[in-house]
Amino acid sequence: GENVEQHPSTLSVQEGDSAVIKCTYSDSASNYFPWYKQELGKRPQLIIDIRSNVGEKKDQRIAVTLNKTAKHFSLHITETQPEDSAVYFCAASIYGNQFYFGTGTSLTVIP
Amino acid sequence: NAGVTQTPKFQVLKTGQSMTLQCAQDMNHNSMYWYRQDPGMGLRLIYYSASEGTTDKGEVPNGYNVSRLNKREFSLRLESAAPSQTSVYFCASSANLWGTDTEAFFGQGTRLTVV
Repeated sequence: GENVEQHPSTLSVQEGDSAVIKCTYSDSASNYFPWYKQELGKRPQLIIDIRSNVGEKKDQRIAVTLNKTAKHFSLHITETQPEDSAVYFCAASIYGNQFYFGTGTSLTVIP
Repeated sequence: NAGVTQTPKFQVLKTGQSMTLQCAQDMNHNSMYWYRQDPGMGLRLIYYSASEGTTDKGEVPNGYNVSRLNKREFSLRLESAAPSQTSVYFCASSANLWGTDTEAFFGQGTRLTVV
C-alpha cells in the first residue's frame, strides 16, 4: 500500500515568516494530494489540495507544489499568523479513494 | 446538512469489553473510512468501504471489525478491547468520484480509553 512520509514533525516560526512542510509518497498511482489542518480537539479539515496534472496551486497565503517525478509535494504558508498554529497533515489518494496520511506537523507561530 | 456524525464522543472501556462506534454521513458519499489517531503517528487507516456492501482492511485492522450497514452508515466494532486501542477514532467519507468534490470529510472524533 501507499506510504506517506512527512517532515518536519514540529515547526516553530515567527509571525510573518513562511512555513514549509514536505511530504513524499511511494505509490506512483496516487493522483490526489490534499492537505488538512487540525486544531486542538477538532476534526481535520481540508485547506488545499492538488491533483497530479497540476504542478502548483495557490489559495491566498497557502500554496502547494507537486513533483510527480520525485513523488514529493509541499505545503507553503506565507505571512504566518498565530491562527495558523495547528497540526497539518498531508495525504495521498488514488482518485479520491483510500486516503493515506502523513504523521503530521505541529506548527507553532510565535507572535 | 450535518456532514459526518460519530457517536459516542467519549468512551471508557475496561479491558475485554466490547463496543461499537457508529458513523453516519448525509452527503450521499460512496466511500467511508475509519482512522485512528495516536500522538506522533498521524491518521492510520483501520478499514474502509468503497461502496455499500464492500469493506477492506487498511493499515491497522487487527482487533477491529466493521459493517457497512447501508450507504449512510459505517460502524466500527471492538470485540475485546485492549489498552493498545486507546486512541482517538475518526470516521470519514468521500464521494470517490473524480469530480470537484474529492476530499475526505471527517466526523468530530471519538476519544476512547481502555483501562
